[in-house]
Amino acid sequence: SQQGEEDPQALSIQEGENATMNCSYKTSINNLQWYRQNSGRGLVHLILIRSNEREKHSGRLRVTLDTSKKSSSLLITASRAADTASYFCATDAFLQGAQKLVFGQGTRLTINP
Amino acid sequence: NAGVMQNPRHLVRRRGQEARLRCSPMKGHSHVYWYRQLPEEGLKFMVYLQKENIIDESGMPKERFSAEFPKEGPSILRIQQVVRGDSAAYFCASSPPGQGYSSKQYFGPGTRLTVT
Repeated sequence: SQQGEEDPQALSIQEGENATMNCSYKTSINNLQWYRQNSGRGLVHLILIRSNEREKHSGRLRVTLDTSKKSSSLLITASRAADTASYFCATDAFLQGAQKLVFGQGTRLTINP
Repeated sequence: NAGVMQNPRHLVRRRGQEARLRCSPMKGHSHVYWYRQLPEEGLKFMVYLQKENIIDESGMPKERFSAEFPKEGPSILRIQQVVRGDSAAYFCASSPPGQGYSSKQYFGPGTRLTVT
């Protein structure tokens, strides 16, 4: 199965509410990154958290990392319609003989006005 | 500063034709990565290149696919004799020298390939 798996696959909330997305991975990592993808667009980097960090903030974003559980969460507070997008976690994993960035399947977030 | 550029943005090819996708990394970046994305799925790593070198092509199909990043000019992802299953969005990303997989990557807008 996937190195990175997001949960839930889809999330629909009302504007102003908080959105939480989770990511689980299998192998040891140096860091974990979160990206956003608006429909039909490229990915935009949101935040990078290193394996020796437990929590990181950037504006309305809060990321946690639990290396013992091999999981991370992305919290978006006070959501806005513009936050509607797919969110992907990515880990630097050693696969097929080399280190590479491995993306999960993503969480599709819809913010309802 | 211009971001990562990809062209064309949309490409339609008939089965059996060749597809050439171009990627110009951000200014000063020497690492280029190609990913493929099927609808409703995440990105799948294909290949990692530096100038004139393929560093890791473990995600590339063994046949019909090739990639290069010449000393001058953009990186090219080439798909020969395309089949319907090649229809996907292909994204290029770049990162600065001295930073490998573990660093933040800057993505281009993608090329959407449709094989008819």
